[in-house]
Amino acid sequence: DTAVSQTPKYLVTQMGNDKSIKCEQNLGHDTMYWYKQDSKKFLKIMFSYNNKELIINETVPNRFSPKSPDKAHLNLHINSLELGDSAVYFCASSRTSGGRNEQFFGPGTRLTVL
Amino acid sequence: AQSVTQPDIHITVSEGASLELRCNYSYGATPYLFWYVQSPGQGLQLLLKYFSGDTLVQGIKGFEAEFKRSQSSFNLRKPSVHWSDAAEYFCAVGPGGGYNKLIFGAGTRLAVHP
Repeated sequence: DTAVSQTPKYLVTQMGNDKSIKCEQNLGHDTMYWYKQDSKKFLKIMFSYNNKELIINETVPNRFSPKSPDKAHLNLHINSLELGDSAVYFCASSRTSGGRNEQFFGPGTRLTVL
Repeated sequence: AQSVTQPDIHITVSEGASLELRCNYSYGATPYLFWYVQSPGQGLQLLLKYFSGDTLVQGIKGFEAEFKRSQSSFNLRKPSVHWSDAAEYFCAVGPGGGYNKLIFGAGTRLAVHP
């Protein structure tokens, strides 16, 4: 009965590789997000999708490409991985209508680029 | 500029002692405020939220927070800390409704001595 799930939980890869992280929510929410948490635990939003449409893009490098096949899924594909991409990536979701909507977070994906 | 400041990077308290974690925000519109907790290796769990009304809000795990508009603060409190409260605590501000881009503080790491 996991609300927001991410796969994989850990990802270790070499510089230059391409990798994807998947996110799914079963809360019936219409908006999903990707956040990056750096080594100092600082959390910053990367993208937001509403009903499969990109709403927020926080000047993230073009190597990062989110894809939302439907409202319940938001995947993150990263091309040509760099050392600085090492971080924990969190997916979140919320309901847009009605206001006052908190975000629910997934367990995170720890990406390590060697 | 929109920002959240958590002045205390690291706090240590004894089990059973009271706790207050500070949070100050800068936000152009009506702020909707949140406290999240992140246990080691885990995702973020919402502790409590403030949208409007009573400025003292109750959350899960015995936590409460008080919104003070004049001080731009939203401090988190707990009267008696348990060892299981050791975690990282994040304050966040956002628009509440619509496309809810959250701005996070840098976090406060809480350690609990037995």
